[in-house]
Amino acid sequence: DTEVTQTPKHLVMGMTNKKSLKCEQHMGHRAMYWYKQKAKKPPELMFVYSYEKLSINESVPSRFSPECPNSSLLNLHLHALQPEDSALYLCASSQDRGLPQPQHFGDGTRLSIL
Amino acid sequence: AQKITQTQPGMFVQEKEAVTLDCTYDTSDPSYGLFWYKQPSSGEMIFLIYQGSYDQQNATEGRYSLNFQKARKSANLVISASQLGDSAMYFCAMREGERSGGYQKVTFGTGTKLQVIP
Repeated sequence: DTEVTQTPKHLVMGMTNKKSLKCEQHMGHRAMYWYKQKAKKPPELMFVYSYEKLSINESVPSRFSPECPNSSLLNLHLHALQPEDSALYLCASSQDRGLPQPQHFGDGTRLSIL
Repeated sequence: AQKITQTQPGMFVQEKEAVTLDCTYDTSDPSYGLFWYKQPSSGEMIFLIYQGSYDQQNATEGRYSLNFQKARKSANLVISASQLGDSAMYFCAMREGERSGGYQKVTFGTGTKLQVIP
């Protein structure tokens, strides 16, 4: 079982809908990430939170809005998405002190935009 | 220049045989970590194995081992005794830099799709 939990596993939404993706980890990690992954491609970084503060936004459109309510939770709020936003969205966490450490990923949310 | 190169888009292996997935990397940072992830068709990204740049010995985790050749900048994944459940996409990844706090960017390779044949 993964130690990073993402909900929902699947989401279908229209272009005018508002929805949220949720991510939770209980490994005591202080860095959390959102990635977008298209089929047969590696994950692409979207956002990084470090100690509950947004530290990296990889020029993501404003229709994606991240939120980190506490050190264990990470949300991604979605509004007015486009069909090209259909993808697998992965959450990850890691310990970012000292020597480079691996990121641990959730199972992902498969998002389809109609 | 690519920081992580996986030259095998797809590979086949017979069940119970061993297979090596290639990965080369490029960095000038003396402190880095190398990782392999497995991604089945269901989508979850499963962390398999980690090798730190200062580690003297090759990493092993069960049937997975990492053949780390620092001078050649290669970090190949060896899967012994392949099983049908090993069929998946495999990504090699690297993080650079020793920092106290802050973000250490991860670079992923393009992946190798492994198919295990019964």
